[in-house]
Amino acid sequence: QKEVEQDPGPLSVPEGAIVSLNCTYSNSAFQYFMWYRQYSRKGPELLMYTYSSGNKEDGRFTAQVDKSSKYISLFIRDSQPSDSATYLCAMSATPTGGGNKLTFGTGTQLKVEL
Amino acid sequence: GAGVSQSPSNKVTEKGKDVELRCDPISGHTALYWYRQSLGQGLEFLIYFQGNSAPDKSGLPSDRFSAERTGGSVSTLTIQRTQQEDSAVYLCASSGLGSTNEKLFFGSGTQLSVL
Repeated sequence: QKEVEQDPGPLSVPEGAIVSLNCTYSNSAFQYFMWYRQYSRKGPELLMYTYSSGNKEDGRFTAQVDKSSKYISLFIRDSQPSDSATYLCAMSATPTGGGNKLTFGTGTQLKVEL
Repeated sequence: GAGVSQSPSNKVTEKGKDVELRCDPISGHTALYWYRQSLGQGLEFLIYFQGNSAPDKSGLPSDRFSAERTGGSVSTLTIQRTQQEDSAVYLCASSGLGSTNEKLFFGSGTQLSVL
């Protein structure tokens, strides 16, 4: 069993929809949680960074962490065609400084249709 | 440069040949990482360099893989005697020192195809 599980999709939604992307994990030591967005033929870029349980909002994006359930989510409000990409969750037991190795999910492919 | 630069962007090679992949990190960044992204798999950590410290090689899958970083800047990932299972996108990332939640900046990767 993988340490981090993520539904690969593809997930197709109409423009303006609310999108929910999720990951589950098994390692209770994970404390730092990230969401990356990866466009085709590009490297991942960091979208959201959260520590421990709780919510964090940034514009149309909200990240939620439920450590008791070992479950994290990314919500995208008012989705746009430009949001079409692969979304990867990532997590670590220590901050991503000093060479920490992130454990990534496999990514969920999202397509927002006009 | 403005971002992390990787070359070549695509590499096709025959099984058994050696390949070299290059990464040019963001100027001033002291930390450099190599990851591998295979179809249907998450990003897999390979190796990490921090300044002049000994690299963390714990993610290298076999002794056919090696990497070096010259002058604390450019890095080269070498795969010897390539196998078909080495086919993947090889991503390089760099980050600077400073805050504990420092951001990793990724390059666009090298798509390696071993025939």
